[in-house]
Amino acid sequence: ETGVTQSPTHLIKTRGQQVTLRCSSQSGHNTVSWYQQALGQGPQFIFQYYREEENGRGNFPPRFSGLQFPNYSSELNVNALELDDSALYLCASSMGSSDSGANVLTFGAGSRLTVL
Amino acid sequence: GQNIDQPTEMTATEGAIVQINCTYQTSGFNGLFWYQQHAGEAPTFLSYNVLDGLEEKGRFSSFLSRSKGYSYLLLKELQMKDSASYLCAVRDSNYQLIWGAGTKLIIKP
Repeated sequence: ETGVTQSPTHLIKTRGQQVTLRCSSQSGHNTVSWYQQALGQGPQFIFQYYREEENGRGNFPPRFSGLQFPNYSSELNVNALELDDSALYLCASSMGSSDSGANVLTFGAGSRLTVL
Repeated sequence: GQNIDQPTEMTATEGAIVQINCTYQTSGFNGLFWYQQHAGEAPTFLSYNVLDGLEEKGRFSSFLSRSKGYSYLLLKELQMKDSASYLCAVRDSNYQLIWGAGTKLIIKP
């Protein structure tokens, strides 16, 4: 059973650029959620996808967008990058919709984005 | 607003016991999670509480009191590999996870 994989692991962008981060969910999982984790902070929920539909969103502007594909992999896109977007971006997969019991999240190792 | 409070940092000795507290104020409650995160790595699941009381899993136990908005994670027989950040997260009425900033646990020999 493969875990959650994310790419790229590290990347550097400049203000105003756009970035796409990718995530392959754990085998058997159909729900993917994305989190932003600043240094020394807990993860902040960006959004969640279940069966290719967004079914929850945190307090992030529209320039943060995403997709989920039929194989349950996912992308996070961030447009018009700002310095404060520098963070670790975590993808997590789980089985079932958000209200199904413990719904334990399996996290990927993250993509560390630096915006200069 | 929604808020999860945990101590920023704690220090304990190898072989000892440590209790990491978490208090929360959220719009609704649908379960509380504890995750462990080693530096530079992904968070990994430790425990889940939805009813009041103690859940024991090996060296780790987690306690919940919904009326007090309070949980703790108890780590026994501490090992050097337990040095990590411990994240408390609450699932709110919208079934979104609200995360604390994490408690960095330092284990000394």
